[in-house]
Amino acid sequence: GAVVSQHPSRVICKSGTSVKIECRSLDFQATTMFWYRQFPKQSLMLMATSNEGSKATYEQGVEKDKFLINHASLTLSTLTVTSAHPEDSSFYICSAWDRAYGYTFGSGTRLTVV
Amino acid sequence: GQSLEQPSEVTAVEGAIVQINCTYQTSGFYGLSWYQQHDGGAPTFLSYNALDGLEETGRFSSFLSRSDSYGYLLLQELQMKDSASYFCAVRDGNDYKLSFGAGTTVTVRA
Repeated sequence: GAVVSQHPSRVICKSGTSVKIECRSLDFQATTMFWYRQFPKQSLMLMATSNEGSKATYEQGVEKDKFLINHASLTLSTLTVTSAHPEDSSFYICSAWDRAYGYTFGSGTRLTVV
Repeated sequence: GQSLEQPSEVTAVEGAIVQINCTYQTSGFYGLSWYQQHDGGAPTFLSYNALDGLEETGRFSSFLSRSDSYGYLLLQELQMKDSASYFCAVRDGNDYKLSFGAGTTVTVRA
């Protein structure tokens, strides 16, 4: 079946630094990639939608200058958390959509900002 | 916009049956999905209903009534490994966005 590889699985960074999270679709081309954030014991909240070669569409309340999304190819999307602060600590999950496979989720990235 | 409501938690014993209800409000409707998520893990797809009725996949079944904007996930012959969070989700438009309910934490006791 379809696999989305997400890295890193865990990252600890200092306040003020930037962190990049990568999601790769391994055996299919992801037309659309979704990025979610999940706080403990809460639901997945959609942050943004990205399509290859075009600018990401951000959900209301999500700062596009803080959460930079790049979808440079049909198999790779990246989320960069810029100038991270402790309140950005969360579980970030990507999900790729493809007509043949539907939604395939990455394994998630646990970000801790200290 | 869209909103989904599901119970926050359910506890049951091994071998029991659990039903998790989900009611939704969406501007459009392209099907109701169910996902399982273990602590620290990614959501895994369980079931999908686009049309009214029951879909059965092994020990898990899902039901949809579009006229009632209601669905449920039925977990049968509960096992300890079924302890997890379960989310209902709807896709409500041509942009393929999935919106998730708040999740139901299922705890299975011996």
